[in-house]
Amino acid sequence: AQSVTQLGSHVSVSEGALVLLRCNYSSSVPPYLFWYVQYPNQGLQLLLKYTSAATLVKGINGFEAEFKKSETSFHLTKPSAHMSDAAEYFCAVSEAWNTGFQKLVFGTGTRLLVSP
Amino acid sequence: ETGVTQTPRHLVMGMTNKKSLKCEQHLGHNAMYWYKQSAKKPLELMFVYSLEERVENNSVPSRFSPECPNSSHLFLHLHTLQPEDSALYLCASSQNPVGTDTQYFGPGTRLTVL
Repeated sequence: AQSVTQLGSHVSVSEGALVLLRCNYSSSVPPYLFWYVQYPNQGLQLLLKYTSAATLVKGINGFEAEFKKSETSFHLTKPSAHMSDAAEYFCAVSEAWNTGFQKLVFGTGTRLLVSP
Repeated sequence: ETGVTQTPRHLVMGMTNKKSLKCEQHLGHNAMYWYKQSAKKPLELMFVYSLEERVENNSVPSRFSPECPNSSHLFLHLHTLQPEDSALYLCASSQNPVGTDTQYFGPGTRLTVL
């Protein structure tokens, strides 16, 4: 079964600093990988996804992630943090079910704190 | 109204109550999902519907009963819940239940079971 590990339940950065949120996956087949963001009192919103095209994926709000097969990683980065980036971030991998459908397997999330 | 909406946003119920959560999507999608989000745990997929038919039941207790009367609406009927069922319940939809399709989430219903 596929799985996702997000290192660090909390990450703190200063405004303007680099954001790096780590995600490692386990998959027996070429994976589809996703990053979602959840702002307080809201549902999840897709930031970006990797579906076996370019390994460097650009998303919304200046975020990007690089798929590295050799490291089984899909880390999320942003060059300069804004206060509005404070939220919880979830990495997910797509997994096939016996019925032929697929589901998302989520990590436990990383809360990003941005200080002035 | 656009996207995925959920009502109510907050619900408090006793262990003997019966209540229902409602989800509506305005995206023309064919697949709808119920997730449970508990503190310090990964999101747990509960049910998947494709074209109004349940395609997966992820080992969810029978006190949770889903209903999908049409492709735009999804309900989660609750009865005789336990305090450990307190969580944020999220509804999502996608064009189809396939790996590459983006899932769009509603804001969730915060459920508290007393």
